[in-house]
Amino acid sequence: SAVISQKPSRDICQRGTSLTIQCQVDSQVTMMFWYRQQPGQSLTLIATANQGSEATYESGFVIDKFPISRPNLTFSTLTVSNMSPEDSSIYLCSVATTDTQYFGPGTRLTVL
Amino acid sequence: KQEVTQIPAALSVPEGENLVLNCSFTDSAIYNLQWFRQDPGKGLTSLLLIQSSQREQTSGRLNASLDKSSGRSTLYIAASQPGDSATYLCAVKGGGADGLTFGKGTHLIIQP
Repeated sequence: SAVISQKPSRDICQRGTSLTIQCQVDSQVTMMFWYRQQPGQSLTLIATANQGSEATYESGFVIDKFPISRPNLTFSTLTVSNMSPEDSSIYLCSVATTDTQYFGPGTRLTVL
Repeated sequence: KQEVTQIPAALSVPEGENLVLNCSFTDSAIYNLQWFRQDPGKGLTSLLLIQSSQREQTSGRLNASLDKSSGRSTLYIAASQPGDSATYLCAVKGGGADGLTFGKGTHLIIQP
């Protein structure tokens, strides 16, 4: 199993600003995933982050808007840039060990 | 593009009933299927993982089945309890380094 922590747990931000979300895992993992859950919707994969390489983004998500860092095998950050109210969502970090995927508690972001 | 549908979207039943949650997916070329529960303000908890070669998995009062060829999975909850109240999410994984594709979930309320 894997225990994942995220910071911050929630934040309220102004339009046009940026927020960086941190994800820490209690064990070394190759791949980390970032998901978004918009209000009333299910989870959507934003990108996959491997240590030592550029993140791979899903259709509809771009690096300029959601830059990701993966400096080592236990840590990753996701930045939500130039925020608008449409970015209000829960952002979740996830890792896979063997075949099971584990999720962090999420960061609840509200953009005013 | 894989699409996952969950029926019903919401369900409210009295305590003690057995119930079935349904999940369907459009592309049968999956690597595995995972059921999660999501509690308000918390992350996702993995309940059951079924590999594409398996037909079912059981954990306590939970039983999940998989019919890959027809693109269907069911989650059976026996003797439901108020603590089972949560949103239940079905997610499928394609091959390789893919993340998960989620359904919108079934919001379950068990009445005491």
